[in-house]
Amino acid sequence: GAVVSQHPSRVICKSGTSVKIECRSLDFQATTMFWYRQFPKQSLMLMATSNEGSKATYEQGVEKDKFLINHASLTLSTLTVTSAHPEDSSFYICSARVEGGGRNQPQHFGDGTRLSIL
Amino acid sequence: AQSVAQPEDQVNVAEGNPLTVKCTYSVSGNPYLFWYVQYPNRGLQFLLKYITGDNLVKGSYGFEAEFNKSQTSFHLKKPSALVSDSALYFCALSYSGAGSYQLTFGKGTKLSVIP
Repeated sequence: GAVVSQHPSRVICKSGTSVKIECRSLDFQATTMFWYRQFPKQSLMLMATSNEGSKATYEQGVEKDKFLINHASLTLSTLTVTSAHPEDSSFYICSARVEGGGRNQPQHFGDGTRLSIL
Repeated sequence: AQSVAQPEDQVNVAEGNPLTVKCTYSVSGNPYLFWYVQYPNRGLQFLLKYITGDNLVKGSYGFEAEFNKSQTSFHLKKPSALVSDSALYFCALSYSGAGSYQLTFGKGTKLSVIP
């Protein structure tokens, strides 16, 4: 149980293109989902916390107009990288916690999206 | 502020030997600690967690971790390493932030199990 599906797994596109990444909880409901960015050989950096039915909370230094997050249902959150540029190339990972789960509940992660902007 | 440290960038171990991946933490209050594993180009998989109770926690794939409050450590261990254990391992600490419980991660330790 507790499977998170992330799509697409890989995107290669031209500079200036907007890219949407989907994160779905397949067998559970997730009030809260998280979006991370991971640079090569580095740890995960939390970008934002996505809350169903409300605005996402962005971490300091993350441009909310650049990285649009929509969490329209209890099983789907999307991250849109708007007008992507080569510096946005990275590995993006989403995670979700089972609804009602407290601090002791683990986050369940998608398989990530490799974004390459040419 | 909370933090997690993984002092080793890489750990090499021979197949069949015991392995240890180190993690120390800093937090005010009770720590909620997790270990995750990441295979290349994949997301993170949950291995185990410590919330309260026994200091030795058993998890997936034969892994276990020992919580030591006095040393503020939560080292990951396995009695006999497999080549398939080769991956990137992250220690994480749960904390309250932005209206939800978030994770702060260590920088990761690359484990290489040598046949």
